Amino acid sequence: GAVVSQHPSRVICKSGTSVKIECRSLDFQATTMFWYRQFPKQSLMLMATSNEGSKATYEQGVEKDKFLINHASLTLSTLTVTSAHPEDSSFYICSARDRAGVPGNTIYFGEGSWLTVV
Amino acid sequence: GNSVTQMEGPVTLSEEAFLTINCTYTATGYPSLFWYVQYPGEGLQLLLKATKADDKGSNKGFEATYRKETTSFHLEKGSVQVSDSAVYFCALMTGTASKLTFGTGTRLQVTL
Repeated sequence: GAVVSQHPSRVICKSGTSVKIECRSLDFQATTMFWYRQFPKQSLMLMATSNEGSKATYEQGVEKDKFLINHASLTLSTLTVTSAHPEDSSFYICSARDRAGVPGNTIYFGEGSWLTVV
Repeated sequence: GNSVTQMEGPVTLSEEAFLTINCTYTATGYPSLFWYVQYPGEGLQLLLKATKADDKGSNKGFEATYRKETTSFHLEKGSVQVSDSAVYFCALMTGTASKLTFGTGTRLQVTL
């Protein structure tokens, strides 16, 4: 089946630094990718929708200058957490929509990335 | 706005036991409903879905019926296996934007 690869799976960074998380669709083209965040014992919360070749659409309450999203190609979206702080520590997971499919049927998720800011 | 409420876990069952994980939702319009499963160390995988009232989604022995009158989409399996141990997420989608609203996830642990 279709695969979405996320890297790194775990990352520890110092407070004040920036960290980049990659999301790749390995065997399909994804015009749309989604970035979610999950706090312990809480839902996956949609942060932003990433569209290839255009600016990301952020959900209400998500700081676009802090969570930079780039979707430069049909197979790659990146999330950069800038000037990270301990409260940014969380589980980040991406999903990608196969542009050849219909909504709901063809959304594939990555393995997720654990970010710890110390 | 949209929201999904599912039972808190963890749920611990013996192999071959009957499983129910409750899920209720609030949505504008007519949502599609999904169950996703996340096995340890892996991404979320679509387990089953239903797109309209009274539809029953099924896969790998799991079933869930879209109940509009009770706004529910409970997940059931008649006989669980150790390999079913995972986190299960109920989710909904409205419109065509492919945005999913998730529940908190329910961890299932099946023991021998």
